Amino acid sequence: NAGVTQTPKFQVLKTGQSMTLQCAQDMNHEYMSWYRQDPGMGLRLIHYSVGAGITDQGEVPNGYNVSRSTTEDFPLRLLSAAPSQTSVYFCASSHRYPDRGFTEAFFGQGTRLTVV
Amino acid sequence: GENVEQHPSTLSVQEGDSAVIKCTYSDSASNYFPWYKQELGKRPQLIIDIRSNVGEKKDQRIAVTLNKTAKHFSLHITETQPEDSAVYFCAASVPGGGADGLTFGKGTHLIIQP
Repeated sequence: NAGVTQTPKFQVLKTGQSMTLQCAQDMNHEYMSWYRQDPGMGLRLIHYSVGAGITDQGEVPNGYNVSRSTTEDFPLRLLSAAPSQTSVYFCASSHRYPDRGFTEAFFGQGTRLTVV
Repeated sequence: GENVEQHPSTLSVQEGDSAVIKCTYSDSASNYFPWYKQELGKRPQLIIDIRSNVGEKKDQRIAVTLNKTAKHFSLHITETQPEDSAVYFCAASVPGGGADGLTFGKGTHLIIQP
């Protein structure tokens, strides 16, 4: 059982370049999300999805796009990289039940992104 | 939306002593409160969670307590060991699965002194 698979693990971009961070889960989770982690800031939500074809913005969405064409995949796109996007990015997935809410969130291994 | 405050930001304890990390939340409707441990360079992993219909939950040296009236919950680690050194995050979410998911605290860096 692979859980949540996130690639790449490290990436260096030049300002203005674009790239896609990949995230896939094999647990049939409805809910998937992307966070960025900066020192002293905790985990901040970028975008999330409650199911295939449905996405929405989180706390810090500017400069990022997402799509959810399948239950398994939830890629994050950086449109035009800026130094302020230097961070560690985590993808996560969990079940989300209408009656009792969320269950355990499983995280990918993280992507350390540096924009120069 | 939900707001989660976590204290302290850094906690240093002697090996064998207990450690307590506290979180408060703003939305009285929140019903799920997980705690995650993140070792250096690794992903966050769930160590314990509690739902609002329970006041306390234990798992070996780890326990979580919840005070719904005061809107705060705490992580207790007893007989701390070097491998407990990590960053710990609390989180909260609302019932019905509020679409924006888990709201995290900013984390506590726990240092176990030998």
